[in-house]
Amino acid sequence: DQQVKQNSPSLSVQEGRISILNCDYTNSMFDYFLWYKKYPAEGPTFLISISSIKDKNEDGRFTVFLNKSAKHLSLHIVPSQPGDSAVYFCAASPPHYGGSQGNLIFGKGTKLSVKP
Amino acid sequence: NAGVTQTPKFRILKIGQSMTLQCTQDMNHNYMYWYRQDPGMGLKLIYYSVGAGITDKGEVPNGYNVSRSTTEDFPLRLELAAPSQTSVYFCASSSTSGQPQHFGDGTRLSIL
Repeated sequence: DQQVKQNSPSLSVQEGRISILNCDYTNSMFDYFLWYKKYPAEGPTFLISISSIKDKNEDGRFTVFLNKSAKHLSLHIVPSQPGDSAVYFCAASPPHYGGSQGNLIFGKGTKLSVKP
Repeated sequence: NAGVTQTPKFRILKIGQSMTLQCTQDMNHNYMYWYRQDPGMGLKLIYYSVGAGITDKGEVPNGYNVSRSTTEDFPLRLELAAPSQTSVYFCASSSTSGQPQHFGDGTRLSIL
C-alpha cells in the first residue's frame, strides 16, 4: 500500500500561471516532507522541504503547504516557467528513533509541462 | 563539484550474471542510500548505510548486497541477475538523517 500518493500523473500549465502539485500521505507519524524535481536521464534534485511543525515554507517561486489534519501537502510554483517542466516527486521521512534510517518514502511523481 | 557519482550509466546483463554498481560521494556524508525506480513508480529503498562499516536493509533488499568500507563508497552488488531487477538505480547521500538527500544521475540496468 502506498504511504505517499501523488494522484495526478501529469499536469499541463501555461507559462506565467500557477502550477499546483498535490500529495497525500497516510502515516500521521511522518515528520518531514520534501519535494524533488527530476529531469530525464538525471537524478532527483532537492527543491524544497517542510517540517511537520510548520504549515508553509517558501523559497522564491516555490511554496509548499502542509495540511496535517487532511494529511495533504501541495507545491505551488508561481509564476511557472518552461524550465520547470520535469517530474516532481513528493517524499516523506518517517520519525527518527534510535538507529534512524533517514530514508525517504516517495510518491510516484507528477509530470509537469509548462507551455510557452 | 562532483557530488554523487554513479557508474556505469547503462548496462545490459544476461539472466544469472552478476555485477556491481558503483557509487561514490565527495561530500563527506555519513548516510548513503540505494534506491530503485521502476517505470511509472516512485523510488524504493534497497539498502542504506549510516556510516562506514554499517549497512542495513530497506524495503526491497532481496537479490542485492552492499558494503561500506569507506565513507565515500557504497557499491551495490547484484548476484544472479533476474529480469525483475531491470530498473533505474539511484544512489544518494546525506550528511545526517534530517537533511535532504543528494542523488546521483542513476544507472539504467536491463536484464535480458
